[in-house]
Formats: sequence, C-alpha cells, structure tokens
Amino acid sequence: NAGVTQTPKFQVLKTGQSMTLQCAQDMNHEYMSWYRQDPGMGLRLIHYSVGAGITDQGEVPNGYNVSRSTTEDFPLRLLSAAPSQTSVYFCASSYSGPTNNYGYTFGSGTRLTVV
Amino acid sequence: SQELEQSPQSLIVQEGKNLTINCTSSKTLYGLYWYKQKYGEGLIFLMMLQKGGEEKSHEKITAKLDEKKQQSSLHITASQPSHAGIYLCGADLAYSGAGSYQLTFGKGTKLSVIP
Repeated sequence: NAGVTQTPKFQVLKTGQSMTLQCAQDMNHEYMSWYRQDPGMGLRLIHYSVGAGITDQGEVPNGYNVSRSTTEDFPLRLLSAAPSQTSVYFCASSYSGPTNNYGYTFGSGTRLTVV
Repeated sequence: SQELEQSPQSLIVQEGKNLTINCTSSKTLYGLYWYKQKYGEGLIFLMMLQKGGEEKSHEKITAKLDEKKQQSSLHITASQPSHAGIYLCGADLAYSGAGSYQLTFGKGTKLSVIP
C-alpha cells in the first residue's frame, strides 16, 4: 500500500516557469488537499477537494490551480512561478474529511525552489 | 494573529526526561489532531481528540483536550532520541456540523532529545 505519493521530491524553477506537482493516493480517499509549509508560518492550506470534480480554495490559493478528474489524483499547478512560492508542498488525503478519527495521510513532500 | 498557538516553539531535553507541549486556541476546538514531522519528511498522525476532557495515549505519548475544548497538551514520558522532531497540532476551527474540510495547523514545536 503506497499511501500518498508526491512527485517530484525536489524541483528548481526559474521565475515565470510553470509546472505541475503530482499527488496520487491509492486508498480510495475522497478528500485531498494541498498545503505549503514555510519557516515561521506553519502549514497553510492552498486548495482542497472533497471528491472527483469538486475543488475549493484554501487560505493561500493565489498563483495555484488544481483539478480533480479522478479519485486518485490531485495535481497542483503553478501557473507562473515566483520566488514567493519557494516552499515545501505537502499533499494529504483522508477518507471522510479532516475531522475524522484517523486524521490525514500526508505525502513526503515536494521541495520547490524558485530562482 | 495565529489561530492555534503552540508553546514552546522549541524544546531541548535530556533523554529520559518528561516534557509537555501545549496547543491553545481562541475558538472552540472541534477535533484536535496531533502530528509528528521528522526533519525533511511528511507528517505522521499521532492521535485525535474530540470530546472535552478526553485523553488518549500511544506508547509514551499522552494527549489531553481540556474541558472547555480550547487547549490541548501533549505529554511525552521518559523521552527518547526517537521522539525528536516537530510536533504540530491541527484543528477544525470552523465546524459546521458536517465538517468544514479546512484543518488549521499551529506553527509547530521543535523537539530535540539529547542522548
């Protein structure tokens, strides 16, 4: 059971470039989300999805796009990378939303540097 | 202002010592989650508390949610080097009955255990 798989693990982008961070889970979880983790800021929610075809914005959605065409995949797109998007990105999933007895399952993260 | 305040921000303890980490909210906590993050890795779910006065234990880690459901503490007994990492609390601060799907995290407490 792979859990939540994020790719790539590391990425360096130039300002203005676009890219997609991949997230896949094999647990048939309905709920998936993307967080970014910055020093001194903690984890902040970017976008989330409560099922295939349904997405919504979190606390810091600007500059990011998401889609959920399947239950398994929830890619995060950076439209035009900026240095302020340098961060560690985490994808998380759960069966029935964050308020459940089992919490989230997190991926191992993608470390993104924008130069 | 930070909705979930964790204290202390960092902690260095001698192996074998007990320690406590606190998570305080200005709002009622509907589902309080504790996670552990090892350096450079994803978050691992430890436990979830929902009812005022609830207490849960996992190995040498005990977490409590106070009666008013606005503070939680995480207590580690006889700390070991394997306990080192960043401990984060997360909570649903916008409970709407069915769950808000937005988990807010504290900034984390960095724990170092000296052998």
